[in-house]
Amino acid sequence: EDQVTQSPEALRLQEGESSSLNCSYTVSGLRGLFWYRQDPGKGPEFLFTLYSAGEEKEKERLKATLTKKESFLHITAPKPEDSATYLCAVLAWGGSYIPTFGRGTSLIVHP
Amino acid sequence: DAGVIQSPRHEVTEMGQEVTLRCKPISGHNSLFWYRQTMMRGLELLIYFNNNVPIDDSGMPEDRFSAKMPNASFSTLKIQPSEPRDSAVYFCASSLGRGGTNEKLFFGSGTQLSVL
Repeated sequence: EDQVTQSPEALRLQEGESSSLNCSYTVSGLRGLFWYRQDPGKGPEFLFTLYSAGEEKEKERLKATLTKKESFLHITAPKPEDSATYLCAVLAWGGSYIPTFGRGTSLIVHP
Repeated sequence: DAGVIQSPRHEVTEMGQEVTLRCKPISGHNSLFWYRQTMMRGLELLIYFNNNVPIDDSGMPEDRFSAKMPNASFSTLKIQPSEPRDSAVYFCASSLGRGGTNEKLFFGSGTQLSVL
């Protein structure tokens, strides 16, 4: 059974204080790892897809990296508007096209 | 495109009543997912359709839940009878389908369901 564990559950940062969110996963064979951002009262919004160990993707202050066991979402010099819940999901090879989601990390960036 | 459209945004009902949630996926998308989100359990898949056919409904809690997709532009999730433990945010999501970045999901804004 595919498993996704995100840590920490919650993170409070000061504006400009860089940090990382972790997503550890267990799958039979990784087809893709996805990061989503969810704002209060809204549905998750796609950020990145990573497919193989060593791959990196960047978007503004966010950079996602991938190893064979985990992914990190690095947030550089965050701003209050980066406050949101960040969700990680994995898709495995083998017939099912259903992603398994982690519980998410709630990020609050204080001005 | 307007994105995935869900209705209603909020639903308050009494225990035992029937609830119907609606979803219009993005045009051209052939995969549709219904998820339920709670603080305790996070995002849980309820059912997955591909080309309007239910492929995996193993996440549907029990016989009180049913889902249909009569055509490529419309899906419903019905709860009958509803119970207080069904209170949650229900999301519909769609994707282009199989392969590469086609697998990223586009979510609707969700339906906040409260069963009293």
